[in-house]
Amino acid sequence: KAGVTQTPRYLIKTRGQQVTLSCSPISGHRSVSWYQQTPGQGLQFLFEYFSETQRNKGNFPGRFSGRQFSNSRSEMNVSTLELGDSALYLCASSRTLAGGLYEQYFGPGTRLTVT
Amino acid sequence: DQQVKQNSPSLSVQEGRISILNCDYTNSMFDYFLWYKKYPAEGPTFLISISSIKDKNEDGRFTVFLNKSAKHLSLHIVPSQPGDSAVYFCAAREGQSGTYKYIFGTGTRLKVLA
Repeated sequence: KAGVTQTPRYLIKTRGQQVTLSCSPISGHRSVSWYQQTPGQGLQFLFEYFSETQRNKGNFPGRFSGRQFSNSRSEMNVSTLELGDSALYLCASSRTLAGGLYEQYFGPGTRLTVT
Repeated sequence: DQQVKQNSPSLSVQEGRISILNCDYTNSMFDYFLWYKKYPAEGPTFLISISSIKDKNEDGRFTVFLNKSAKHLSLHIVPSQPGDSAVYFCAAREGQSGTYKYIFGTGTRLKVLA
């Protein structure tokens, strides 16, 4: 079974530009979550999509947006990039199993550097 | 304000000994806790979890303990192996089914010395 894939793996952008990151979840997983990882801040939740609808959102400015397609693939967009947006962006696909157990798998991440 | 805290940024342990990674939280409404391991250039991988109605969950060399009154959980790795060297994140779940949100700590870098 293929894991979560993210493209691109590395990206360098300049301030003011916008960027789109892509995530393909594990087959059969309908939930996709996005996280930002920076040194000292751990993983911070951006948003979660389920069946093409945003069902949860973290505390990030409106410059951060996302969407999910009918095949569960998801994209994350950051507009008007700032230096502080440099981070590892992780995508996770998940599902809830019988009995309430939760299963979440992360992709390898996209390393975004803003100069 | 960090709701999930891992106060030790790093930990070094001799191979074969016990590794204890700690995590504190502030929100008493968290109902599910998870531990992840992360190697460089890879995404976090799920290790072990525990429901708030339990105080211990064991899976091979990994045991997670939950002390709800102290809002504290810990991950024990026995015996520690060099391949366990990684960054460990604890995460806590809040919300209700369909609106769950997972809050992560800042991670603890474990180094197991051969």
